[in-house]
Amino acid sequence: QSVLTQPPSASGTPGQRVTISCSGSSSNIGSNTVNWYQQLPGTAPKLLIYSNNQRPSGVPDRFSGSKSGTSASLAISGLQSEDEADYYCAAWDDSLNGQGVFGGGTKLTVL
Amino acid sequence: QVQLVESGGGLVKPGGSLRLSCAASGFTFSDYYMSWIRQAPGKGLEWVSYISSSSSYTNYADSVKGRFTISRDNAKNSLYLQMNSLRAEDTAVYYCARESGAVEEGYYMDVWGKGTTVTVSS
Repeated sequence: QSVLTQPPSASGTPGQRVTISCSGSSSNIGSNTVNWYQQLPGTAPKLLIYSNNQRPSGVPDRFSGSKSGTSASLAISGLQSEDEADYYCAAWDDSLNGQGVFGGGTKLTVL
Repeated sequence: QVQLVESGGGLVKPGGSLRLSCAASGFTFSDYYMSWIRQAPGKGLEWVSYISSSSSYTNYADSVKGRFTISRDNAKNSLYLQMNSLRAEDTAVYYCARESGAVEEGYYMDVWGKGTTVTVSS
């Protein structure tokens, strides 16, 4: 059971907009920033969004992040076939003396 | 270019030990916190441990506390994970990652290695 809760799956057709939610608590998302990672099949994770809504250089602006209270979400607009991957939210948890916590991951399928 | 390369994985019997290494290049290793993250077969990501830039601070997931030890050698641009009393549930791909950011904006893992596989089985 992951500390952060994500839906196990999501799907959309090319060009659509999809959102992935991430729910936590006051000790993690409620008091720290949220990061999102993309893991393409058979590869290492890659930073997608940091500090709730910042995109690293090279990440398309189709990807956006937001946070409100103890929840966060990742939005992908103009869905493309290459977006099919696993997506993980992550944060630091103050109640665990600064341990890192991940969501269980959401497998995005592009139909 | 900025790169992290893990090594040291392999097959080990339950109760055994293994030492993972992570070689960093392309950036000033001594300026960054570093973390280990693992992924069991078919499962999600699990944070394992982090170490501060000067080794002053470390922390561990409850699942590995007391069995795993993180360390680093800034002169050798290397990060390590000593794993003792290994269990079947420690079987996973182990990734090392660079932690970037600051207190104000939060910390995030911006560079990841390709991972090394640890299998604990008799």
